[in-house]
Amino acid sequence: SQQGEEDPQALSIQEGENATMNCSYKTSINNLQWYRQNSGRGLVHLILIRSNEREKHSGRLRVTLDTSKKSSSLLITASRAADTASYFCATGNFNKFYFGSGTKLNVKP
Amino acid sequence: KAGVTQTPRYLIKTRGQQVTLSCSPISGHRSVSWYQQTPGQGLQFLFEYFSETQRNKGNFPGRFSGRQFSNSRSEMNVSTLELGDSALYLCASSTAGLAGVSSYNEQFFGPGTRLTVL
Repeated sequence: SQQGEEDPQALSIQEGENATMNCSYKTSINNLQWYRQNSGRGLVHLILIRSNEREKHSGRLRVTLDTSKKSSSLLITASRAADTASYFCATGNFNKFYFGSGTKLNVKP
Repeated sequence: KAGVTQTPRYLIKTRGQQVTLSCSPISGHRSVSWYQQTPGQGLQFLFEYFSETQRNKGNFPGRFSGRQFSNSRSEMNVSTLELGDSALYLCASSTAGLAGVSSYNEQFFGPGTRLTVL
């Protein structure tokens, strides 16, 4: 299975701190995507990183990809209470994606 | 543009019944995917439709089926419901498959249909 696995499963931090989540996957990929899900709702696409990229930034988000270790990390800087959500990495192609189990982030105000 | 819409948002059924869920993609998107999300199994891919054809399929029993209409709207059907089918069913649309569109595509998710099987 290509399914990614996030680490840690849960993370609790104070507002203003940075949050780092890791994702490991099993097979070769074309790209890896990160999504956010607020409790019981749909997923929101955050960022996509291609297999030939090592790092990508989008606002307060920074994603790294290490294809030799089959891992990726998502860093959220200067976290806010509104960042409280579950975060998933997804691998796959076209529209058949495999999602990891997710990291539940709680940002305390 | 309006986002992906799913109806109904909540549904309660009993074991043995069947259910049909509906998804309307973003205008212009012809690819629609379905996912099942449960606390135990996480997010699992069900199937994907493009231009009324099923292009990809996940590892679900034949009780789970779907279809796509000419206007790209999609429905999924679950027959002979089991307790384990209780889940959040998510639909996502994208431009994947359109001429000139890279396979590096973003999926736009709907809010989901919460199905409870009693």
